Amino acid sequence: AQTVTQSQPEMSVQEAETVTLSCTYDTSESDYYLFWYKQPPSRQMILVIRQEAYKQQNATENRFSVNFQKAAKSFSLKISDSQLGDAAMYFCAYRSSGAGANSKLTFGKGITLSVRP
Amino acid sequence: KAGVTQTPRYLIKTRGQQVTLSCSPISGHRSVSWYQQTPGQGLQFLFEYFSETQRNKGNFPGRFSGRQFSNSRSEMNVSTLELGDSALYLCASTPGGAGDTEAFFGQGTRLTVV
Repeated sequence: AQTVTQSQPEMSVQEAETVTLSCTYDTSESDYYLFWYKQPPSRQMILVIRQEAYKQQNATENRFSVNFQKAAKSFSLKISDSQLGDAAMYFCAYRSSGAGANSKLTFGKGITLSVRP
Repeated sequence: KAGVTQTPRYLIKTRGQQVTLSCSPISGHRSVSWYQQTPGQGLQFLFEYFSETQRNKGNFPGRFSGRQFSNSRSEMNVSTLELGDSALYLCASTPGGAGDTEAFFGQGTRLTVV
């Protein structure tokens, strides 16, 4: 079974600064996706960024980028130029993508990010 | 395109009762997954339905069940409610193929068992 670990329960960052959220995972599969989801107080889970395991290039979406280290099974999220609206809970998630894969997501425990004005 | 709709948004039930939650996926999506979110356990996968068939199931007791209709709408039912069933229940929809790259979530149903 796959597991996802987010060891930091809380983090804080100054507005306009950069913060990195950590995530490690364990799997014996070679084909999979990794995701970062954001959950603001409204509870709506919003996809921030995704990474396909077969791609060596790290994914980037505007101010959000990842550092994907497949051998180390590490998948960290970097938020640049932090904004007040980035304050939320962030979840790292894993999904199989090989033949016969289904839509099940395995989540980490999440990290609460606060942004100081 | 309308997003994933979950109803009701809030529910208060008494221990021992049963409850049914509803999820309408994005039009054209055939897979609906359900998750339970609690402060202690985080987000846990309940089950997934695809084309009216349960495709995957998490480690929850048989009191938790679900179904999917021909229009892809899904319901989950919890019977004999326990205090520990108090949680946010989220559903997510995807087209359902192995190449799905994003799950779209509803806003959840907050269930309180008293």
